[in-house]
Amino acid sequence: DVKVTQSSRYLVKRTGEKVFLECVQDMDHENMFWYRQDPGLGLRLIYFSYDVKMKEKGDIPEGYSVSREKKERFSLILESASTNQTSMYLCASLSTTGESSYNEQFFGPGTRLTVL
Amino acid sequence: RKEVEQDPGPFNVPEGATVAFNCTYSNSASQSFFWYRQDCRKEPKLLMSVYSSGNEDGRFTAQLNRASQYISLLIRDSKLSDSATYLCVVTPLYGQNFVFGPGTRLSVLP
Repeated sequence: DVKVTQSSRYLVKRTGEKVFLECVQDMDHENMFWYRQDPGLGLRLIYFSYDVKMKEKGDIPEGYSVSREKKERFSLILESASTNQTSMYLCASLSTTGESSYNEQFFGPGTRLTVL
Repeated sequence: RKEVEQDPGPFNVPEGATVAFNCTYSNSASQSFFWYRQDCRKEPKLLMSVYSSGNEDGRFTAQLNRASQYISLLIRDSKLSDSATYLCVVTPLYGQNFVFGPGTRLSVLP
């Protein structure tokens, strides 16, 4: 079974703090993603990475950065946390070796971040 | 207009009912289509891919209409365990990013 783990289930930070969210997958997937999920807005893509040291902006990259130094690990960084970044953060990984119709994103359990 | 739109819900149905969810997408170049299921306070998980010819998996049937840019999910004989939020997902022709709809919540009542 594919396993995607995230460093914390719940996190409370103060405005202005630097926040690191870590994600690790154990299936050697090339692609990894960071989303945030908010009521009524669904999942929104922040950043994704299709290879080590590669990154692409998603729909809402402002206020975030990412790091992918190793294939299995994808980190999301909030340089200076703000209250509007309070959200559920979900990491996912994806293998694209097969036909696209069969691609499946595997999600981690999520990190509920509260910024005070 | 949002890229992927779904019925706003919530849907409250009795056990045994048939329920249908609708989804529309705006990008005509979209390539792949999926339904994901998300239980309360859990991560999304793939329910089924949606193929042009339509596909069925037990009590679940998915349909795709490319001309109308419309996807549907039909659940027959609803079970209590079907209670969840159902997410419509679309991917572009080139690229790996998935676009998620806002989801439709289903509650199956005893």
